[in-house]
Amino acid sequence: AQSVTQLGSHVSVSEGALVLLRCNYSSSVPPYLFWYVQYPNQGLQLLLKYTSAATLVKGINGFEAEFKKSETSFHLTKPSAHMSDAAEYFCAVSLTGANSKLTFGKGITLSVRP
Amino acid sequence: NAGVTQTPKFRILKIGQSMTLQCAQDMNHNYMYWYRQDPGMGLKLIYYSVGAGITDKGEVPNGYNVSRSTTEDFPLRLELAAPSQTSVYFCASSSRDRSRGNEQFFGPGTRLTVL
Repeated sequence: AQSVTQLGSHVSVSEGALVLLRCNYSSSVPPYLFWYVQYPNQGLQLLLKYTSAATLVKGINGFEAEFKKSETSFHLTKPSAHMSDAAEYFCAVSLTGANSKLTFGKGITLSVRP
Repeated sequence: NAGVTQTPKFRILKIGQSMTLQCAQDMNHNYMYWYRQDPGMGLKLIYYSVGAGITDKGEVPNGYNVSRSTTEDFPLRLELAAPSQTSVYFCASSSRDRSRGNEQFFGPGTRLTVL
């Protein structure tokens, strides 16, 4: 079975500051890893995904994440926060088999201060 | 492509009433999923389907039923609504194409309140 831990429920940064959202996973086999973003009153949108190719993955809106097997981590970063980045962010893990279901973390709300 | 669509967007039910949440996708995806999202709890899988005529329980199936008669549609049925089913419900779909890495595409959600 796989699981995801997102420590903390809320992160607040100033506009222009570094964004770092942490995600640690547990999986019995090499996983697929995902970051999704949810803007208020909307569905989830894929930011980026790791599927066992390059360990540094670039996504939309300037976000990127690095898969570190030794640390079982997949932290999400963005060099400079923008007001429009305020949203809820979910990390998710799945096994690499066909139709392996996603297991989501509890989510982190990102606030961006002017 | 419209992607994944869900209706209704909002609904208020009385305890004991029943309703069906509709979900459709036009991407010819084999796999479809229903989740519920509660504050601070992330998404929990209710039911999923690997193809027409095949469904299976997820993590929190009690109080819900599903059917999958076509590739496109995956309705979720609540038979006797209870306050504990107040939540936001998301439908998602994914391709069996392994190169997509199990990426799921989500609908906009249905916000359900049971009073």
